[in-house]
Amino acid sequence: DTGVSQNPRHKITKRGQNVTFRCDPISEHNRLYWYRQTLGQGPEFLTYFQNEAQLEKSRLLSDRFSAERPKGSFSTLEIQRTEQGDSAMYLCASTQGGSGNTIYFGEGSWLTVV
Amino acid sequence: AQRVTQPEKLLSVFKGAPVELKCNYSYSGSPELFWYVQYSRQRLQLLLRHISRESIKGFTADLNKGETSFHLKKPFAQEEDSAMYYCALLSGTYKYIFGTGTRLKVLA
Repeated sequence: DTGVSQNPRHKITKRGQNVTFRCDPISEHNRLYWYRQTLGQGPEFLTYFQNEAQLEKSRLLSDRFSAERPKGSFSTLEIQRTEQGDSAMYLCASTQGGSGNTIYFGEGSWLTVV
Repeated sequence: AQRVTQPEKLLSVFKGAPVELKCNYSYSGSPELFWYVQYSRQRLQLLLRHISRESIKGFTADLNKGETSFHLKKPFAQEEDSAMYYCALLSGTYKYIFGTGTRLKVLA
């Protein structure tokens, strides 16, 4: 499968712990997104990278959240001092080139904070 | 504010009946709209985009700027159409804004 890959697929963590999710985009894709999805909601934009540059970060991303994309390849999303409200599906998506191109989603990483 | 509204959380229709999934948007510029679909245990994927003006799996969607709508339609629903459908708006050059989704159930 050469699609967008995310791991871990599921993570259960205790409140206050740190977690990190990884996303491997489709290899030639220079644009990468992180979205969050909770039950009954659509994907909510978190952040966007063009190559290694983080061009936008949503207000949904508190200071406890950080995302990186070193060398413009894979990306990581770290959540520090997790809270129960962080429980959600974290989706990664990637695309190539110009505006409006199809974005391809990963299968997501489920986070449960207990 | 840019927003996508899908008023129906669940839509149930019988096989062979017409389907219309509603989507309304709020956007100050020239909108670019999409429908994404998520079948059971699969990832979210593009169904169609308004600029292509194409029919995918029998679905079509027409952008109505006067009514700020982009409803998804299919004349005869099939059981394999059962899925979650999300309407999305491209805001600016890269940010996609999604609606809350509509679950379509096609009953035998």
